[in-house]
Formats: sequence, C-alpha cells, structure tokens
Amino acid sequence: QSALTQPASVSGSPGQSLTISCTGTSSDVGGSNYVSWYRQHPGEAPKLIIFDVSDRPSGISNRFSGSKSGNTASLTISGLQPEDEADYYCSSHTSFSTLVFGGGTKLTVL
Amino acid sequence: QAHLVESGGGVVQPGRSLRLSCEASGFTFSSCGMHWVRQAPGKGLEWVAVIWYDGSNEYFADSVRGRFTISRDNSKNTLYLQMNSLRAEDTAVYYCARDLSLVARSMDVWGQGTTVTVSS
Repeated sequence: QSALTQPASVSGSPGQSLTISCTGTSSDVGGSNYVSWYRQHPGEAPKLIIFDVSDRPSGISNRFSGSKSGNTASLTISGLQPEDEADYYCSSHTSFSTLVFGGGTKLTVL
Repeated sequence: QAHLVESGGGVVQPGRSLRLSCEASGFTFSSCGMHWVRQAPGKGLEWVAVIWYDGSNEYFADSVRGRFTISRDNSKNTLYLQMNSLRAEDTAVYYCARDLSLVARSMDVWGQGTTVTVSS
C-alpha cells in the first residue's frame, strides 16, 4: 500500500488556474472510479471537495474540478482565491478494498 | 446535520493499549461505512481502517494490521478503534470519518480528531 504521488507544493496568483496531480497504479487510481480530493486548512479537519473522480459534494464551488487519465488523477482549481491556500490530498479505493492517500500538496497563493 | 465526536486519546507508553471512540449524530449511522484516519505531527493523512455499514467487513492499512481492530455498535451510534502494542510511530491525531456509501469509497464527514501520543 504505497502512498499515491503528489507534488509537494504548488503556487499560483489570485485569479489563475492550477492543477494538482495524483499518480498511483492500476491497483488503485487506474482501476478505481472512487478517487477523492480533500482540502485541509491548518489546525482543521480535512474537507471533501471531489469524490468519484469528478463529482462535487453539495456546497463545494464549481471552481474545483477533477479528472483522471490512466493511473493519474488531477484536481484543477480555477479562479484561485486566497482562501484556497491549504493542503490538498487525493485518495483512492484500492483493489484490496482499502483506501490510500497521496502524500499531500501544499498550495500557496502568491 | 451530521456530526462526529472522537474521544479516548491521551498519552500512553509503548507496548500499551488504548481504545478510541467516535460518537455519531445527525444521520443514519447504520447506513454508512466508517473510517479511521490519522495524521502524525507535521505529516500527511494516513488511512488506518474501515468497517462496513453492518460490521460485516473490516480492512486495515499494513502499518496497523494485526495490532488495531475496528468495531461499531449501531445501537449506540458509536465507532471504536482498539489499538494494541502501540509504537512511537502511532503518535498522531486520529480522525473518524463517515463514508458516503455503505462500504469504502469517500469520506464526506469528519470529526475534529483526538490526539494519541505514544511515549515513555
């Protein structure tokens, strides 16, 4: 159960768009439609922002979108806002009926 | 509104045991898979375990399999994590989280976490 691979950090200016990648294997990301993304601000619990690769929970802005190609999932944030500065984690259901997280990506709004 | 409250964290010596609880409210607990997720100080999220809605199946991360057990009491709307043979590397904030399905798919409601420190 190796962690999914995410970039350690990304940055962007307000109003810009950016994408965070999440790479796994055919045993997790590549073989599952249950890929999720979470946002975590310091000192807070994580919050679900994308599930089932590209679906948004109620109340989540349409500035957040998800996709998947092969063994890599992606989270795109458009119209970057200061409050988007946080840590972002992907997760995937695996062929072993477990879940696995990515290592996390720190997003900085310049 | 769905709500989860963890309890049972504390300071424990290596090799000892601890049981965490997670009390659920505001939703039909018996219709949801439930997870434990932990986060070591300054580190990322680590999935720990899941139990299906009816308790019929449980799955664990390699790092805790054989030492931790997960259980639930649907009559009390409560999830448990029994942690045995604790190690320093088990030190973390432990979150319980609700799955948006019956089994293991995605975690849509999270508690605020309870801190476990394993130290002599």
